[in-house]
Amino acid sequence: NAGVTQTPKFRVLKTGQSMTLLCAQDMNHEYMYWYRQDPGMGLRLIHYSVGEGTTAKGEVPDGYNVSRLKKQNFLLGLESAAPSQTSVYFCASGSRYTFGSGTRLTVV
Amino acid sequence: QKEVEQDPGPLSVPEGAIVSLNCTYSNSAFQYFMWYRQYSRKGPELLMYTYSSGNKEDGRFTAQVDKSSKYISLFIRDSQPSDSATYLCAMSPILDNYGQNFVFGPGTRLSVLP
Repeated sequence: NAGVTQTPKFRVLKTGQSMTLLCAQDMNHEYMYWYRQDPGMGLRLIHYSVGEGTTAKGEVPDGYNVSRLKKQNFLLGLESAAPSQTSVYFCASGSRYTFGSGTRLTVV
Repeated sequence: QKEVEQDPGPLSVPEGAIVSLNCTYSNSAFQYFMWYRQYSRKGPELLMYTYSSGNKEDGRFTAQVDKSSKYISLFIRDSQPSDSATYLCAMSPILDNYGQNFVFGPGTRLSVLP
């Protein structure tokens, strides 16, 4: 039972490049979330999904897009990366939040 | 003023000490209070979950909520080096299944020295 798996674990992007972060869960959870964690800021919700085919904006959605085509997967996309998006990204699923181990993204 | 405040630490204690971790908040609507533990380079994991005021105990951990003071605490008894981690508080005004109302504190980094 893997829980929540995030790929990749690390990534360095140049300003303006695009990328997709993948979150996969094997617990049959309806709810999935993308957070970013920055020093001194706590976890901030980017987007979330309450079921397959549904997505909604969180606290800091600008510059990100998401898709939930399959129940077990929740994708986070950056269309044109900016240095302000340098952060650690966490995916979580379920009503009590099972977190993945994070993706460390640096935009240079 | 941030909605949820936590002393970032680091807090260093000797093994066996009693640790007190705290959060203050400003939104009187918060009813549900959570504590998460986050080891270095890992995702947070849920430790404790309480509703409204009062205490809840789980092994060496006790969560305490004082809504009148807008103050929550996590106590760790007989602290161990394996307790060294960042502790995040989180709170929500309602118990919904969507979780989008969770507000997290920035976390307190704890080091338990052997």
